[in-house]
Amino acid sequence: QSVLTQPPSASGTPGQRVTISCSGSSSNIGSNTVNWYQQLPGTAPKLLIYSNNQRPSGVPDRFSGSRSGTSASLAISGLQSEDEADYYCAAWDDSLDNAVFGGGTQVTVL
Amino acid sequence: EVQLVESGGGLVQPGRSLRLSCVTSGFSFGDYTMHWFRQAPGKGLEWVGFIRSQAYGEATEYAASVKGRFTISRDDSKSIAYLLMNSLKTEDTAVYYCGSGYTYGPDIFDLWGQGTMVTVSS
Repeated sequence: QSVLTQPPSASGTPGQRVTISCSGSSSNIGSNTVNWYQQLPGTAPKLLIYSNNQRPSGVPDRFSGSRSGTSASLAISGLQSEDEADYYCAAWDDSLDNAVFGGGTQVTVL
Repeated sequence: EVQLVESGGGLVQPGRSLRLSCVTSGFSFGDYTMHWFRQAPGKGLEWVGFIRSQAYGEATEYAASVKGRFTISRDDSKSIAYLLMNSLKTEDTAVYYCGSGYTYGPDIFDLWGQGTMVTVSS
């Protein structure tokens, strides 16, 4: 059971907008910034969004993030076939003194 | 080019030990906190633990699931981080990744190795 809660799956057709939620608590998302990772099949995770809504260099601007209270979300606008991957939210948890991850959301492009 | 390469994985019996290595290059290894993560087959990511830099006393922290069994160490002269896993259990079967917060902050993991598979089975 993951500390952060994500839906197990999400899907959309090419060009659609898909949103993934991430729910936490006051000790993690409520007090620390949220990062998102993309994991393509058979590869290591890749940083996609950091500090709630910042994109690393090279990440397309169709990916965006937000945080409100103890929840966060990742949005993919203009969904493309290469966006099929697993997406994980993560944050530091002050109570556990751990990094914590969501269980991951598998995005399928229909 | 910045690189992290894990090695040392394999098949090991329950109760035995295994040491993983994370060989790094292309950055000032000694200045950075090094983390270990794992991913069980078909499951999500789990943070295993970290070791801070020498400037922060090489402090370590571990996930509750591995505390007391796993030990993280580092050799700054060789730019290598290690994960010593003792008293292995079948539930420790996973791909193990090393990583670090290189560009954006110590807990924003933008550097990852390719992973090494550990299978705990009799």
